[in-house]
Amino acid sequence: QVQLVQSGSELKKPGASVKVSCKASGYTFTTYAMNWVRQAPGQGLEWMGWINTNTGNPTYAQGFTGRFVLSLDTSVSTAYLQISSLKAEDTAVYYCARCSWEENYFDYWGQGTLVTVSS
Amino acid sequence: DIQMTQSPSSLSASVGDRVTITCRASPGISNYLAWYQQKPGKVPKLLIYAASTLQSGVPPRFSGSGSGTDFILTISSLQPEDVATYYCQKYNSAPWTFGQGTRLEIK
Repeated sequence: QVQLVQSGSELKKPGASVKVSCKASGYTFTTYAMNWVRQAPGQGLEWMGWINTNTGNPTYAQGFTGRFVLSLDTSVSTAYLQISSLKAEDTAVYYCARCSWEENYFDYWGQGTLVTVSS
Repeated sequence: DIQMTQSPSSLSASVGDRVTITCRASPGISNYLAWYQQKPGKVPKLLIYAASTLQSGVPPRFSGSGSGTDFILTISSLQPEDVATYYCQKYNSAPWTFGQGTRLEIK
């Protein structure tokens, strides 16, 4: 069965970096794109961007350029989200979610990773 | 970018009620619309895609309709387990924008 398993919660200080992983199983990793979605405490869902799992080419949503980097390691079917220069407002749950190339709705989601930024 | 506007932002209904949630896209998006359910503290779950196609395993009391700019998610008979926040999402072209969500409670 399809599974997206994310790395565990992180507590970071402002200015630090964090790298969240999303390991896929149950399907061929390169046949679906991988998306990242942010959900700040008590807030809605915000699409951050996606990465082409064939080429490794990322596309970022407005507001998620510069400090946010999407990457892959196809040898272990894993996608990554790295955030640098962390700010308190980056505190959120981050989800990975896959979509097909033709139909870009999200049929499977990771369990979410809570990133807390606090001094 | 296309804006997705849901209404209402919250609602309270009784068990057995028919519930409708509206999502408006501006400009239109054909039928490239999905609905998700997020129960408190849980991961979002795909309910409907292509505006009206029920995802496998989703109870048939859920249905979707609409095309172009106006879409509706309907729960034909509200159940206690339907307490959640519901989000629409457009996917005709990037960015895959979500609506702001509709919080559904039991009266």
